[in-house]
Amino acid sequence: NAGVTQTPKFRVLKTGQSMTLLCAQDMNHEYMYWYRQDPGMGLRLIHYSVGEGTTAKGEVPDGYNVSRLKKQNFLLGLESAAPSQTSVYFCASSLGQPYNEQFFGPGTRLTVL
Amino acid sequence: AQSVTQLDSQVPVFEEAPVELRCNYSSSVSVYLFWYVQYPNQGLQLLLKYLSGSTLVKGINGFEAEFNKSQTSFHLRKPSVHISDTAEYFCAVSDLRGNNDMRFGAGTRLTVKP
Repeated sequence: NAGVTQTPKFRVLKTGQSMTLLCAQDMNHEYMYWYRQDPGMGLRLIHYSVGEGTTAKGEVPDGYNVSRLKKQNFLLGLESAAPSQTSVYFCASSLGQPYNEQFFGPGTRLTVL
Repeated sequence: AQSVTQLDSQVPVFEEAPVELRCNYSSSVSVYLFWYVQYPNQGLQLLLKYLSGSTLVKGINGFEAEFNKSQTSFHLRKPSVHISDTAEYFCAVSDLRGNNDMRFGAGTRLTVKP
């Protein structure tokens, strides 16, 4: 099992450009999450999904959109990148319920110039 | 919403010494508590979790944590650390209402020196 994978691993964008980050999991998990990690701030939830075709906003959703067309994939989009979106982005998945652990991907390091 | 405070941003320690990483939480309802570890250039992985029952929880790699409800704390301990324990450690909390809102602390960077 590959677990949770993320594509790409690194990306540099110019302000105003758009991009999509792909997350895939092979554990048949219902729940998937997108976080951003910034120095001194831990992980903050951007958006999450509790099943195929569903998405919901997390703590810091502005400037991002998501889609969950297939159970195993969760896409994070930036329509018009800003320097404030420079961060490391992590995808995670879980069986759901607050007592289940989340399984994390290796991260995508995004720089917006 | 619940929140987590990790009291130390960096903890340097010598190899084979004991270590304690401190975590306090705030919530108006009962919570589940987690410790995750992040090795350099990797994602997070679960060390241990407290759901209910015994307040002393044992995890992987010799780590343990103690839930203290009156102090609203969930400190992580290891009696003897190794160089390989050098990593960033995150405390996290989710509440029993199941609103998919796990909150993470800012992290503690543990550096084990020879």
